Amino acid sequence: AQSVTQLGSHVSVSEGALVLLRCNYSSSVPPYLFWYVQYPNQGLQLLLKYTSAATLVKGINGFEAEFKKSETSFHLTKPSAHMSDAAEYFCAVSVTGNQFYFGTGTSLTVIP
Amino acid sequence: EAGVTQSPTHLIKTRGQQATLRCSPISGHTSVYWYQQALGLGLQFLLWYDEGEERNRGNFPPRFSGRQFPNYSSELNVNALELEDSALYLCASSPNPTWTDTQYFGPGTRLTVL
Repeated sequence: AQSVTQLGSHVSVSEGALVLLRCNYSSSVPPYLFWYVQYPNQGLQLLLKYTSAATLVKGINGFEAEFKKSETSFHLTKPSAHMSDAAEYFCAVSVTGNQFYFGTGTSLTVIP
Repeated sequence: EAGVTQSPTHLIKTRGQQATLRCSPISGHTSVYWYQQALGLGLQFLLWYDEGEERNRGNFPPRFSGRQFPNYSSELNVNALELEDSALYLCASSPNPTWTDTQYFGPGTRLTVL
């Protein structure tokens, strides 16, 4: 069975500081991994996606994530936080023929 | 290109009533997915439609149902509403019927059950 765990339901960083949002997955087969962002009162928007190509995936708005099979992790990072990054972030895992499993989300607060 | 649209934006019902939520996918997308986002529970998969047929459903009771029309738009029906059905219901679409494809989300319908 597949599942996703996001450590830390709330993360606060100062503007300009490193953003690190953690995601660990469990999957019996090679997964596809996604990070989505949800701004207030909006739907989800794809940030980036891992599809078994390069392990370091670059997404929109300066975000990137690294697939580490040995650690079953897909943490999201951004070198320098911006006020506009404040949002809810969701990690998701999917395998062929199966459904999306979303994590419970991490709310990112950026402190000026 | 227009994104996924959902209507209504907000819906207020009382216990026992029925709610109908609507979704229009991106043009050319054949798959529509429904999710429930309840407070503190993240996104829970509800239903998946493709080419007019229900392909998969999540762990929800039968009073959650829906359909997909020939133009690929979709409707989610929730019968015998309960207080815990209060949530944001998100619809997503994808161009291909595969779970590994990117899903494009609409803004959601906020359902409040009183």
